[in-house]
Amino acid sequence: DTGVSQDPRHKITKRGQNVTFRCDPISEHNRLYWYRQTLGQGPEFLTYFQNEAQLEKSRLLSDRFSAERPKGSFSTLEIQRTEQGDSAMYLCASGTRQDEAFFGQGTRLTVV
Amino acid sequence: RKEVEQDPGPFNVPEGATVAFNCTYSNSASQSFFWYRQDCRKEPKLLMSVYSSGNEDGRFTAQLNRASQYISLLIRDSKLSDSATYLCVVNPPSNYQLIWGAGTKLIIKP
Repeated sequence: DTGVSQDPRHKITKRGQNVTFRCDPISEHNRLYWYRQTLGQGPEFLTYFQNEAQLEKSRLLSDRFSAERPKGSFSTLEIQRTEQGDSAMYLCASGTRQDEAFFGQGTRLTVV
Repeated sequence: RKEVEQDPGPFNVPEGATVAFNCTYSNSASQSFFWYRQDCRKEPKLLMSVYSSGNEDGRFTAQLNRASQYISLLIRDSKLSDSATYLCVVNPPSNYQLIWGAGTKLIIKP
């Protein structure tokens, strides 16, 4: 499968714990995005990488959130000290152009 | 005002009917427009791009009205499998990201 891959697919964690998600984009895609989606809403932009450079971060991304793409390939999104409000689907997308986004299947986070 | 607005629905439509929904956007300089489809608990998938001249793909027709700043999606001869949430997406200038609407839920009933 050469699509965007995300791991894990589901994560249940206790409030206050740290979690880390991984995204493997389509191999030739230099653009990588993280989005968050809650029920009944469209995806909300979190952050964008071009190769290894993090070029844009949403104000939604509090200091508890950090994302990396160290070698310009896979990316990780870490949430520290999780809160119940962090429960959502976290989607990764990749592309080669600004108007292109191929999504992974997402990681569904539940904070209990 | 939200940057991209959609009627959340749900639109309950009998199988075989024609259904249309619109999406309005606030940035008049936006350059690219898309409709994505999202099935329940799945990731969004590109349905079609929306060109200035309008475009058609089988039973689906998308149109852009720049003067009124909206795009539309028309589905003819609707199938049960068309049941999904349809997300409107806009690409404003000078932005790295796509701007997403909240989606319109469509339910096709037998």
